[in-house]
Amino acid sequence: SYVLTQPPSVSVAPGKTATITCGGNNIGDKSVHWYQQKPGQAPLLVIYYDNDRPSGIPERFSGFNSGNTATLTIGGVEAGDEADYYCQVWDSGRDPHVVFGGGTKLTVL
Amino acid sequence: QVQLQESGPGLVRPSQTLSLTCTVSGGSITLGDYHWTWIRQFAGKGLEWIGRIYTNGSLNYNPSLKSRVTVSLDTSKNHFSLQLRTVTAADTAVYYCARDIVGPFDTWGRGILVIVSS
Repeated sequence: SYVLTQPPSVSVAPGKTATITCGGNNIGDKSVHWYQQKPGQAPLLVIYYDNDRPSGIPERFSGFNSGNTATLTIGGVEAGDEADYYCQVWDSGRDPHVVFGGGTKLTVL
Repeated sequence: QVQLQESGPGLVRPSQTLSLTCTVSGGSITLGDYHWTWIRQFAGKGLEWIGRIYTNGSLNYNPSLKSRVTVSLDTSKNHFSLQLRTVTAADTAVYYCARDIVGPFDTWGRGILVIVSS
């Protein structure tokens, strides 16, 4: 079964750039989607198909995917960006299904 | 704008069947190229995809849950449903329904906490 690996936590000072990674075998061959989840809320799609932003998501959010690592980058981090972030792919193997990463807690210092 | 709302019992006895419904409002469940999906989240925060149904009835299930899960669609009521059989405490989670726009999930319900306990 396909596995996505995320660091449990990332810390960044306000105004700086946060980088959250999502590792997987040849993940660059797949489309990666990213979600932001704040306490008590449902996940919110922030990046889809590696680097597209849904309407309403600030340009500060961007993504990149190549080789064995996909990356979510948040520029000019704000206190309101503090949340859990999850990556997601579709594993099109013998039994196709969705796979989520374990999630990364972003702390704004 | 489409909205999703989960409903069902918040407490299920061990070995019984968990049954949830997701009501779609603000648009027809048959309109557009969407899959209708169930996802759950454990207390430790991990997300687990359960399964999905397309409007033509096509199904995909998580291989680890396939033997216990049924997802169904009722277009007359504009809702879709989840049944998870023979539950244990390990099935305690927040259950979300979501819309799959051919890959990403762009719309989510608020989630419903289901506790499995006697």
